[in-house]
Amino acid sequence: DQQVKQNSPSLSVQEGRISILNCDYTNSMFDYFLWYKKYPAEGPTFLISISSIKDKNEDGRFTVFLNKSAKHLSLHIVPSQPGDSAVYFCAASPLGFNKFYFGSGTKLNVKP
Amino acid sequence: SQTIHQWPATLVQPVGSPLSLECTVEGTSNPNLYWYRQAAGRGLQLLFYSVGIGQISSEVPQNLSASRPQDRQFILSSKKLLLSDSGFYLCAWSDRGGMNTEAFFGQGTRLTVV
Repeated sequence: DQQVKQNSPSLSVQEGRISILNCDYTNSMFDYFLWYKKYPAEGPTFLISISSIKDKNEDGRFTVFLNKSAKHLSLHIVPSQPGDSAVYFCAASPLGFNKFYFGSGTKLNVKP
Repeated sequence: SQTIHQWPATLVQPVGSPLSLECTVEGTSNPNLYWYRQAAGRGLQLLFYSVGIGQISSEVPQNLSASRPQDRQFILSSKKLLLSDSGFYLCAWSDRGGMNTEAFFGQGTRLTVV
């Protein structure tokens, strides 16, 4: 049973515009959420995270929003750049455990 | 700084053959260690999780096993590979001492079972 879901397998955005990637989770014990970026044939690299005590975390062009009541988080990239083109994975970790459960990924294509 | 090494990068194995993938971490002590698999067109599935030497938690029933003979060494094995074992295998570590830490991944091994 998939506890972390990314329902959009792909997203195409024009350079300079905003990219919004969405993620839903089902386990109410999740209290830490992460976004990773992955290129083909490479391991994922950590991008940004958010604790359940916050509803927003910002790092440069990347902002993650958490809506605990809806069990939903999103990653905003503004402005989008062609180098942002990659697969983005959402991950969640339950309280007290450093285990990470990943979604199926969203492939972002930023067009020049 | 911490680094994670995973090898080989690619592997082609016949059905029924054994498997051994090795992962080592440098620059940290007592890490949590993980094996993940990404099947074609799928997300990252957590296979095994370890908090210490000899302590392995299996997340899903499967044809694979894991061992942690040393603090910073994690090995993924199979006695007889199946076609369905094909995929991209990733080793990762996280800081056991910290709460709300991220996992750091190796470069992965592309396994093709033929």
